[in-house]
Amino acid sequence: DQQVKQNSPSLSVQEGRISILNCDYTNSMFDYFLWYKKYPAEGPTFLISISSIKDKNEDGRFTVFLNKSAKHLSLHIVPSQPGDSAVYFCAATNDMRFGAGTRLTVKP
Amino acid sequence: DAGVIQSPRHEVTEMGQEVTLRCKPISGHDYLFWYRQTMMRGLELLIYFNNNVPIDDSGMPEDRFSAKMPNASFSTLKIQPSEPRDSAVYFCASSGHPYYEQYFGPGTRLTVT
Repeated sequence: DQQVKQNSPSLSVQEGRISILNCDYTNSMFDYFLWYKKYPAEGPTFLISISSIKDKNEDGRFTVFLNKSAKHLSLHIVPSQPGDSAVYFCAATNDMRFGAGTRLTVKP
Repeated sequence: DAGVIQSPRHEVTEMGQEVTLRCKPISGHDYLFWYRQTMMRGLELLIYFNNNVPIDDSGMPEDRFSAKMPNASFSTLKIQPSEPRDSAVYFCASSGHPYYEQYFGPGTRLTVT
């Protein structure tokens, strides 16, 4: 069963615009989430996290929003840059479950 | 710090052969994780260790898979016998806490023919 879901396998945006990547979870007990970025032939690298005691966390161009009632989180990248092109995974760390990933392509 | 080190980076083997993947975690990290990435299932946790002790191996697909951590600086994931459906990228990761960010190695791409 997939308790963490990323329903969009891919997303394409223009450079300078906003990228919004979505993630849904089913277990209301999950209380800590992370986003990872993965380039080809490399391991995932940590990007940003959020605890359930918050509904927003910002780090430069990256902001993660958490809607606990909807069991939904999203990663916003503003402005998007070509170097952001990668696969993005969300993860619920309570039991190390990852989503299937969303491939983001930022076009110059 | 060299980060998490995995070897080999690529492995091609024939069905039925034994495969051993190796991992050296970041020094000082008490947690070590093995993941498998496939197109169909994304990134799946196979097993994780705390202080060299396996804590959760519920993700190990079947008895053909085994993992060991004989000391704090080394872990292996073994598949015996290997099957074509085991073809995937296998990642090792380590962290100082099970719920916070993990540091991933570059992965081992396994192809079983």
